[in-house]
Amino acid sequence: EVQLVESGGGLVQPGGSLRLSCAASGFTFSSYWMSWVRQAPGKGLEWVANIKQDGSEKYYVDSVKGRFTISRDNAKNSEYLQMNSLRVEDTAVYYCARGDYSKRRPFDYWGQGTLVTVSS
Amino acid sequence: EIVLTQSPGTLSLSPGERATLSCRASQSVSSSYLAWYQQKPGQAPRLLIYDASSRATGIPDRFSGSGSGTDFTLTIRRLEPEDFAVYYCQHYATSPWTFGQGTKVEIK
Repeated sequence: EVQLVESGGGLVQPGGSLRLSCAASGFTFSSYWMSWVRQAPGKGLEWVANIKQDGSEKYYVDSVKGRFTISRDNAKNSEYLQMNSLRVEDTAVYYCARGDYSKRRPFDYWGQGTLVTVSS
Repeated sequence: EIVLTQSPGTLSLSPGERATLSCRASQSVSSSYLAWYQQKPGQAPRLLIYDASSRATGIPDRFSGSGSGTDFTLTIRRLEPEDFAVYYCQHYATSPWTFGQGTKVEIK
């Protein structure tokens, strides 16, 4: 059974940093692109970033470029999202999702999400 | 960036009725790389349809997708109580992948 479990969310002040983790199981993690998708309270879904199987390609939505960094550790079956210079508008539930950018496959598995709240 | 516009914003229907949800793209979505997701309160989205018309694993056949180019439709043939939720379309043709703003299907 495919499972994606996020952790690391919490309350942080504007300008602060947070690192999210996603632990994957039930599939060959190293064979898949992985992504982060977020959802602000009461709002829709927004793709944030994705990373190639070997970490050699990474893409970001414009609003987080230069502030967020996606990474992965295939030995640990995990992906990460380092979030710096956080803004109030980054407040959202962050989902880890599996989707293949190069093979054009959508998000077929999602984690349960972790809430990030940016507030003073 | 491809902008996806969903309509209507809210659909009020009774169980057993047919639901028709629309997703319009600001430019053609190549190879029909369009998906539909269902999201219930407090849950992660669930993939229903991919490649515009293919049902994901385990999805009942009352859900169907159609369309190409810039106009896509999700149809729920006969609404079951568990189908009342928010539905999002999403393209995965070019970066950035974007979502529509969602259609809420609520009980009338």
